[in-house]
Amino acid sequence: RKEVEQDPGPFNVPEGATVAFNCTYSNSASQSFFWYRQDCRKEPKLLMSVYSSGNEDGRFTAQLNRASQYISLLIRDSKLSDSATYLCVVNSAGGGNKLTFGTGTQLKVEL
Amino acid sequence: EAGVAQSPRYKIIEKRQSVAFWCNPISGHATLYWYQQILGQGPKLLIQFQNNGVVDDSQLPKDRFSAERLKGVDSTLKIQPAKLEDSAVYLCASSFPDRVLYEQYFGPGTRLTVT
Repeated sequence: RKEVEQDPGPFNVPEGATVAFNCTYSNSASQSFFWYRQDCRKEPKLLMSVYSSGNEDGRFTAQLNRASQYISLLIRDSKLSDSATYLCVVNSAGGGNKLTFGTGTQLKVEL
Repeated sequence: EAGVAQSPRYKIIEKRQSVAFWCNPISGHATLYWYQQILGQGPKLLIQFQNNGVVDDSQLPKDRFSAERLKGVDSTLKIQPAKLEDSAVYLCASSFPDRVLYEQYFGPGTRLTVT
């Protein structure tokens, strides 16, 4: 089983739609969780951290369910500029800031 | 603030040849990472440095890959000899080791094609 699993997509949605991505992780001792965004042929960039209480940043909401080892990202009112690959990222237990990346979920927002 | 610098941006070599990549992290970032990203996959950590010491190189194919960070700043990653399956983007990232957020800042990457 992969450490971090995501549906690769692509998710094709119309502009203005709400879309949700899910991710599961296998190591129950994992400590920190993130969503990174990667545009085509560009480097990954941190989108947001994910906390157990859930957190929101504008149109983006991230949730963590430790019991189910499940992370989600919700994007409301999708924009064309949201088209990218969204990488689910887990900081492995034991510290050292070792990040394990999922394969990414590709989002295409269309007119 | 200048970002993570990498060179070259693109490299095409034949199998069995050697290649080296260079990375200059963000000033003051003690932790440096090299990742390999194969098309359609997420980045995979190859090696992590804390200053000039290796923290984790468990996924580095040590029979052909080597990396160094001699003065705790710049780093080089070398492949010798290259195989077809080494075709990938090689990403360098850096971070503050003591930041709670653990954000890693990535460079633009080196796109390697092995023919």
